[in-house]
Amino acid sequence: GQQLNQSPQSMFIQEGEDVSMNCTSSSIFNTWLWYKQEPGEGPVLLIALYKAGELTSNGRLTAQFGITRKDSFLNISASIPSDVGIYFCAGQNYGGSQGNLIFGKGTKLSVKP
Amino acid sequence: NAGVTQTPKFRVLKTGQSMTLLCAQDMNHEYMYWYRQDPGMGLRLIHYSVGEGTTAKGEVPDGYNVSRLKKQNFLLGLESAAPSQTSVYFCASSPRQGAVDGYTFGSGTRLTVV
Repeated sequence: GQQLNQSPQSMFIQEGEDVSMNCTSSSIFNTWLWYKQEPGEGPVLLIALYKAGELTSNGRLTAQFGITRKDSFLNISASIPSDVGIYFCAGQNYGGSQGNLIFGKGTKLSVKP
Repeated sequence: NAGVTQTPKFRVLKTGQSMTLLCAQDMNHEYMYWYRQDPGMGLRLIHYSVGEGTTAKGEVPDGYNVSRLKKQNFLLGLESAAPSQTSVYFCASSPRQGAVDGYTFGSGTRLTVV
């Protein structure tokens, strides 16, 4: 089945630093999504991308849908302690079971005040 | 508006015991999903349902059964629990296939099988 390679697995940064993480796939997706999961909670959608080349921002977060449709990245600018959590990318295609989301393994972000 | 509610939040089972995890949503969503989350593995789909009375297998269905007798509820059953089923289980719902902005997750059930 389709698999997503998400990197890095973990990051330890200082408050105020910028963060970048990415996701790649061996096959194309029609939609890329980025989720954040805080301890003891389920994932919450941050950004959804629907078109190749699309660049979308949500506050200090910016994500891009790769031109090849096989990758996406997420940037967080000027990190703050509440950015701590696990960030997941997810890809989706349309039709049948392929409409289900495929998740990356996550990037665990730690922010030192 | 509660969204997606999972019960119980925590459970410890002995090997061979059975249990049912309940997921309830109050958003009138058609699609419901059960995922398991293991360290370093991300979220893997166990089973899903595209409507009341229908279920389908996901990526890791072995050892689990599901039922969707009512639109708002999606039950995940473990008939004979094994230590390999120790995990955090998440339920999610969406109004329709492809509605990625409508994918709502519950807060999870942490299951330990000893």
